[in-house]
Amino acid sequence: EVQLVESGGGLVQPGRSLRLSCAASGFTFDDYAMHWVRQAPGKGLEWVSGISWNSGSIGYADSVKGRFTISRDNAKNSLYLQMNSLRAEDTALYYCAKGMGGQLVHYFDYWGQGTLVTVSS
Amino acid sequence: QSVLTQPPSASGTPGQRVTISCSGSSSNIGSNTVNWYQQLPGTAPKLLIYSNNQRPSGVPDRFSGSKSGTSASLAISGLQSEDEADYYCAAWDDSLNAFYVFGTGTKVTVL
Repeated sequence: EVQLVESGGGLVQPGRSLRLSCAASGFTFDDYAMHWVRQAPGKGLEWVSGISWNSGSIGYADSVKGRFTISRDNAKNSLYLQMNSLRAEDTALYYCAKGMGGQLVHYFDYWGQGTLVTVSS
Repeated sequence: QSVLTQPPSASGTPGQRVTISCSGSSSNIGSNTVNWYQQLPGTAPKLLIYSNNQRPSGVPDRFSGSKSGTSASLAISGLQSEDEADYYCAAWDDSLNAFYVFGTGTKVTVL
């Protein structure tokens, strides 16, 4: 059974940093691209970032480019999102999602339950 | 900021057919396949339709997808109470500053 478990969310002040993690199990992690998708309270879905199976291809939404860094550790079956210079508008539930293939350009077939990030002073 | 436009709401009585539209452009729907996600209240999104009209294992055949040009649609036939949820279309975008784009979302209410 595929499982994606996010962690690392919490309350953080504007301008500070936070690192999210996603622990994956139930599939061969290093065969698939992984993504972060967020959902602000009461709002729709927004793709944040994605990374290919071997970290060779990485993409970011314009809204986070230059502030967020995605990475993965295939030996630990884990995905990460380093979030710097956080803003109030980054407040959201952050989901980890598994891509259907190894490259970025696939749909997301499994999602975690999300970790909440709140940016506020 | 979503680049795929959906109606904010749709509704129907049990057993009816409901259709949700998704309008995009040549850089997303026009050149890539469309996927649909269902988000039940208080839960994570779930893949509902992929590659325009394919259903993952376990998704009832009441759900169907189609695409034409730069638009797509999701149809729910034989509407059931458990179909009350938010529905999002999505596609990869080939433009310079965009990657995966979601629709604005449609709230389906079963009357």
